[in-house]
Amino acid sequence: DTAVSQTPKYLVTQMGNDKSIKCEQNLGHDTMYWYKQDSKKFLKIMFSYNNKELIINETVPNRFSPKSPDKAHLNLHINSLELGDSAVYFCASSQPDRPYEQYFGPGTRLTVT
Amino acid sequence: KQEVTQIPAALSVPEGENLVLNCSFTDSAIYNLQWFRQDPGKGLTSLLLIQSSQREQTSGRLNASLDKSSGRSTLYIAASQPGDSATYLCAPAGPDSWGKLQFGAGTQVVVTP
Repeated sequence: DTAVSQTPKYLVTQMGNDKSIKCEQNLGHDTMYWYKQDSKKFLKIMFSYNNKELIINETVPNRFSPKSPDKAHLNLHINSLELGDSAVYFCASSQPDRPYEQYFGPGTRLTVT
Repeated sequence: KQEVTQIPAALSVPEGENLVLNCSFTDSAIYNLQWFRQDPGKGLTSLLLIQSSQREQTSGRLNASLDKSSGRSTLYIAASQPGDSATYLCAPAGPDSWGKLQFGAGTQVVVTP
């Protein structure tokens, strides 16, 4: 059973397009996160949702919009894609009383050409 | 702003040798520190979590130490095996970060048979 899953695993698209990455967790967690890992391998948090409510919103361009239809899903929508958006995006989840015990998805490698 | 540095960036050892991975961080006001393992195409897996009040944490062949005052943590892996080949990331968490992990760029480890 996959705990945290992401789709797609790979995404290649052109500049200016709009794309979405989906994340689902079956752990019953209330809190979900999106991280970005750039070409230098630094992993940085972008957003965090607790029970569908935004609780962490780092300095991320407003072209990035997370959407949480329910506690088990946190999707990332990106408008007007730029070359610098190329990265691996990871989704994670945790229980709200244990925010540091995060379970990560396998990542989505986004390539913008 | 917390800055996390991991040295060395890459390490290659023959099977059986002990591994020593270093992590330094600039803000010593941390709540805890985690060591993660990242395998290509897969997400991150938490290996050890050290609370700020602890000096070390052990799990099997893994031992992590924490010197909060000097802003350092070290991960020791005893008797390395080829299956230990991966990238190892450290992530200190501040007291007010509420699940916001700050990652280093990682140490890429290769253990040769």
